[in-house]
Amino acid sequence: AQSVAQPEDQVNVAEGNPLTVKCTYSVSGNPYLFWYVQYPNRGLQFLLKYITGDNLVKGSYGFEAEFNKSQTSFHLKKPSALVSDSALYFCAVRDPNRDDKIIFGKGTRLHILP
Amino acid sequence: KAGVTQTPRYLIKTRGQQVTLSCSPISGHRSVSWYQQTPGQGLQFLFEYFSETQRNKGNFPGRFSGRQFSNSRSEMNVSTLELGDSALYLCASMVAGSTDTQYFGPGTRLTVL
Repeated sequence: AQSVAQPEDQVNVAEGNPLTVKCTYSVSGNPYLFWYVQYPNRGLQFLLKYITGDNLVKGSYGFEAEFNKSQTSFHLKKPSALVSDSALYFCAVRDPNRDDKIIFGKGTRLHILP
Repeated sequence: KAGVTQTPRYLIKTRGQQVTLSCSPISGHRSVSWYQQTPGQGLQFLFEYFSETQRNKGNFPGRFSGRQFSNSRSEMNVSTLELGDSALYLCASMVAGSTDTQYFGPGTRLTVL
């Protein structure tokens, strides 16, 4: 069965340092991968997606993610963290060759320390 | 362009009642999906509608149902509410296909007493 895992419930990073939020997935074919961010009392906001092509995907607010097929990972990264990046981050996977449902990870809470 | 809107934003019901939530997608978007978000289970997919047809369905009991109208607006209904149905219900719209980006509404916070 398809699944997506975010192994860290919480990540703490000092402001100005690089950040990484991890995501691994399990699907049978070639997945579509997404990252979303959720601020308190708000819906989810789209950050970036990988469909095909270049493994390095650039998105909103300076975020980027690298699709690694051999490691089945899609980690979210940012070179220099801002306090305003503090939020809940969700990785999601969609398998268009199977049931095409979108599956979300449990979420990772990112705390940027001033 | 207006974003995805959901009404009502907050709702309090008692066990056994039923509830209807509404979602208006972004203009031009034909697909609407619904999700349930709880602290324990995270984000769980309920169903997706496209051009008034249910295109996909998650693993929820039959008490959860939905529909989509010709103008792409969607409603979700939960009958015989249980305490465990308390959650944030999120609606998302996208243009049409699997590669498209989903845009989420602010959600409806349902509390069942």
